[in-house]
Amino acid sequence: QKEVEQNSGPLSVPEGAIASLNCTYSDRGSQSFFWYRQYSGKSPELIMFIYSNGDKEDGRFTAQLNKASQYVSLLIRDSQPSDSATYLCAVPGGSYIPTFGRGTSLIVHP
Amino acid sequence: GAVVSQHPSWVICKSGTSVKIECRSLDFQATTMFWYRQFPKQSLMLMATSNEGSKATYEQGVEKDKFLINHASLTLSTLTVTSAHPEDSSFYICSAPVGGTGNEQFFGPGTRLTVL
Repeated sequence: QKEVEQNSGPLSVPEGAIASLNCTYSDRGSQSFFWYRQYSGKSPELIMFIYSNGDKEDGRFTAQLNKASQYVSLLIRDSQPSDSATYLCAVPGGSYIPTFGRGTSLIVHP
Repeated sequence: GAVVSQHPSWVICKSGTSVKIECRSLDFQATTMFWYRQFPKQSLMLMATSNEGSKATYEQGVEKDKFLINHASLTLSTLTVTSAHPEDSSFYICSAPVGGTGNEQFFGPGTRLTVL
């Protein structure tokens, strides 16, 4: 059974700092990885996905994938209070069913 | 982008009643939809996979007779919580896979169910 592990946090960073969120996964055959952001009381929204080893940048967000070490991370530069949310790592499985990590709570304080 | 809607966004009901939640794909067809439940400060728990034109596939521990799923068309899946009890109070979210890889999930806005 696929497992996706995340530190539940909370991770607290000051405004303007870099927030680093990490995720490890158990299935070496996993090919794609997704990061979702979930605000309190809302449903998740996709913010990043990555398929290849290395870095993928989109605005203030950078996803990093290391398949050999089986981890994927999300960096948020210039963190803003509006980034405060829970970030879910997801690894798709068979029949499109994703396995979600428990999520890491991020708090960006002014 | 793909849009998934849910109705109602919140519902309060008495214990013992049944509640139906609708999940619609507005601008695409979804042969598969997923139903999740999320308790406060916990992660998403997959309840079942809804398949258009066939029976839903339930995750272990989810009572299929209590959580009835109907996927009657390519744009609509419904979840009915039968004989709801206070422990069924939760945030119910549906999603549909979209995209070339079929791996990206678009989520509905969720339905907050409170059973008194």
